[in-house]
Amino acid sequence: ETGVTQSPTHLIKTRGQQVTLRCSSQSGHNTVSWYQQALGQGPQFIFQYYREEENGRGNFPPRFSGLQFPNYSSELNVNALELDDSALYLCASSMGTDSYNSPLHFGNGTRLTVT
Amino acid sequence: AQRVTQPEKLLSVFKGAPVELKCNYSYSGSPELFWYVQYSRQRLQLLLRHISRESIKGFTADLNKGETSFHLKKPFAQEEDSAMYYCALKPLSGGYNKLIFGAGTRLAVHP
Repeated sequence: ETGVTQSPTHLIKTRGQQVTLRCSSQSGHNTVSWYQQALGQGPQFIFQYYREEENGRGNFPPRFSGLQFPNYSSELNVNALELDDSALYLCASSMGTDSYNSPLHFGNGTRLTVT
Repeated sequence: AQRVTQPEKLLSVFKGAPVELKCNYSYSGSPELFWYVQYSRQRLQLLLRHISRESIKGFTADLNKGETSFHLKKPFAQEEDSAMYYCALKPLSGGYNKLIFGAGTRLAVHP
């Protein structure tokens, strides 16, 4: 069973730039969620994709967008980067949208630093 | 507002001592509650869910709706329990996997 993999592991960008983070879901999982974890905080829900469509979103502006592909891999795109976007970005996959019966499986995250 | 509060950033105990990691939540309804754990250099993983009433690695957690708490307990801490622990709440509405996490408590178990 292949776990959730994220790339890259670390990334440094300049304010105003755009970034794309990638995630491969665990085998058999059709749902992917993205979370932002600032230093010293718990993960914060950005959005979820199910069957290639966004079906839930947290309190993040539209410059945070995503894609899910037919093979259930996913991308998180952030435009017009701000210093406060510096954080660990976590991808989590699951089988279905009910996290109670199908717990989230997290990747190791991508550490984004915006200077 | 939906919120999860973990009042302790760090909990330091000796091996064999009892452990209680506190979690309080704010939610108007009956939430689903979880504990997630992150061991050193490992990914975040599910430890236990409230409705299962299970004991995982000796840990248990009881939902107290009156006190809106979901504290994690273990009677005798082991060194391998040292990790970061996150309490999380899933609102029942929405139909998607939104979890609201607390800020986490680092448990350090000393020999």
